[in-house]
Amino acid sequence: GDSVTQMEGPVTLSEEAFLTINCTYTATGYPSLFWYVQYPGEGLQLLLKATKADDKGSNKGFEATYRKETTSFHLEKGSVQVSDSAVYFCALPTGFQKLVFGTGTRLLVSP
Amino acid sequence: DVKVTQSSRYLVKRTGEKVFLECVQDMDHENMFWYRQDPGLGLRLIYFSYDVKMKEKGDIPEGYSVSREKKERFSLILESASTNQTSMYLCASSLGGRPLYEQYFGPGTRLTVT
Repeated sequence: GDSVTQMEGPVTLSEEAFLTINCTYTATGYPSLFWYVQYPGEGLQLLLKATKADDKGSNKGFEATYRKETTSFHLEKGSVQVSDSAVYFCALPTGFQKLVFGTGTRLLVSP
Repeated sequence: DVKVTQSSRYLVKRTGEKVFLECVQDMDHENMFWYRQDPGLGLRLIYFSYDVKMKEKGDIPEGYSVSREKKERFSLILESASTNQTSMYLCASSLGGRPLYEQYFGPGTRLTVT
């Protein structure tokens, strides 16, 4: 079935470092792809999305490019801030109106 | 802004108790979902509903039931709580018929069963 695989965390970075969180997927066809973020003590919120191959989603300085050749949707940010510390989830649609999520990657950014 | 609220942020219950988790959304969304979130396992879908009085099993429905009597409210019921149901429970909602599958989440209820 459809699935998402994320790199294990935690990812620990210093402020202003470059961030990459890897996400690969297995799915039939070319589904939309999503990154959700969960800040401490909160629910998940949509960070960015891409609806077709080669699309780039972006928001709040984060970017991810939908690459069908490598079935990947890696999340990147050029310069992380302490406030980016959170758990990041990659997700794709499956079935009727449902999403399947990766296991999440915790990012810890120190000053 | 879409708002999804959950009745409690923290809940402590004893083994064997019947537990009700309530979720309310204010954006007239057709679809509502219950997930549990565990370290290393991510989010797993327990149940979802795409209309009033309609429900579908997710990936891990055992030990849970749901109720959706009104469009805005979706309840998760633990008929007889067990310690392995200690977890974070997240409710979400989404508009029906939209292809983008964006879901809006509540803040979660951290349930501890002792």
